[in-house]
Amino acid sequence: SAVISQKPSRDICQRGTSLTIQCQVDSQVTMMFWYRQQPGQSLTLIATANQGSEATYESGFVIDKFPISRPNLTFSTLTVSNMSPEDSSIYLCSVGAQGPQNEQYFGPGTRLTVT
Amino acid sequence: GQNIDQPTEMTATEGAIVQINCTYQTSGFNGLFWYQQHAGEAPTFLSYNVLDGLEEKGRFSSFLSRSKGYSYLLLKELQMKDSASYLCAVVDSNYQLIWGAGTKLIIKP
Repeated sequence: SAVISQKPSRDICQRGTSLTIQCQVDSQVTMMFWYRQQPGQSLTLIATANQGSEATYESGFVIDKFPISRPNLTFSTLTVSNMSPEDSSIYLCSVGAQGPQNEQYFGPGTRLTVT
Repeated sequence: GQNIDQPTEMTATEGAIVQINCTYQTSGFNGLFWYQQHAGEAPTFLSYNVLDGLEEKGRFSSFLSRSKGYSYLLLKELQMKDSASYLCAVVDSNYQLIWGAGTKLIIKP
């Protein structure tokens, strides 16, 4: 299994500002994902971070609002831009395992509060 | 559309057995996962089923019936530390993970 770290673990930000969340994996992985989990709800996939090309965004999420970088196979960043209180959520990085089951492993998450 | 249904919340007693059901309607099927998520923590992998039948792993077992679009997670000899949310997720025909809303399991002494 992969060990995943995220920074920051939590932050309180003002409306209109941006926050960049970092995700570091202890081994090279092909698939990296960014999820959002709002209080009491399940996971919503924001995008798949592709190494060497643009991220693939899910319906309802756009690059201008959630720019993603993936400079190599162990690191990715997600920026939440021009934040509003509706962006208050937990943001989770995950990686897809190699193997037939392809289970995902999750980072500890970043708890974001926008005031 | 794609849909996964799980009960919102369940309560069980320490030492007992509980079954958490998951029904799904997805475009294609390439497997079903169960994850455990303690409050304030990230989800952790519990089980994966792709063929019909029961997969046992210690106190936890997971069952799948593809024809019925149905799975359940069975937890035996419940412990207080099993209090958590349990998420069902299905891999669709595009190998995308479709997540259920999760079942919050409350264990009482």
